[in-house]
Amino acid sequence: QVHLVQSGGEVKKPGASVKVSCRASGYNFMSNGVSWVRQAPGQGLEWMGWINTYNGNTKYAQKFQGRVTMTKDTPTSTVYMELRSLKFDDTAMYFCARDGKNWGDLDYWGQGTLVTVSS
Amino acid sequence: DIQMTQSPSTLSASVGDRVTITCRASQSISSSLAWYQQKPGQVPKLLIYMASNLESGVPSRFSGSGSGTEFTLTISSLQPDDFATYYCQHYHSYPYTFGQGTQLEIK
Repeated sequence: QVHLVQSGGEVKKPGASVKVSCRASGYNFMSNGVSWVRQAPGQGLEWMGWINTYNGNTKYAQKFQGRVTMTKDTPTSTVYMELRSLKFDDTAMYFCARDGKNWGDLDYWGQGTLVTVSS
Repeated sequence: DIQMTQSPSTLSASVGDRVTITCRASQSISSSLAWYQQKPGQVPKLLIYMASNLESGVPSRFSGSGSGTEFTLTISSLQPDDFATYYCQHYHSYPYTFGQGTQLEIK
């Protein structure tokens, strides 16, 4: 049974960094890439980037280039998303999601991590 | 970046109605399109992949079609559980992008 379990909610000040974890279980961790998607309150879904869990290669949305880093730890089947220089409008629910059958459709999602940026 | 545009943004319908949501890509994405359903406070759920393939466990009243730049999600007979927000997403090339969403409301 596939599960993606994310770390708990965070409250950060503007300019700080946040690192969210996503621990996978129930499948071969290195067989499926993982995307990170965020959703601001009352807004739609925004794709942030992707990590290849086999070799660690990453792809980031231009909007987040230079501010986001996605990494993996294979022994613990965990992927991480670090976002730096936080701004108020980074307040959102952050989801990790696994690549499905076609390496891009997202078939399993973490429960979400609420990151609140507040002074 | 490839832009995804959904229409309508809001759709009011009744139980038993047939509804169609459209998603247009700013350039051809072949069939690299997924549809998701999201209910308030819940995680998005994959419904359709590769434009027309039904994800396992998804009711057969959901169907997808299209290729290139124009795609549709059809619900053949709306059930009470279907009132939610629907998103399309392309995965033709990086960066992936989502449509802005279609909120399906009870009439």
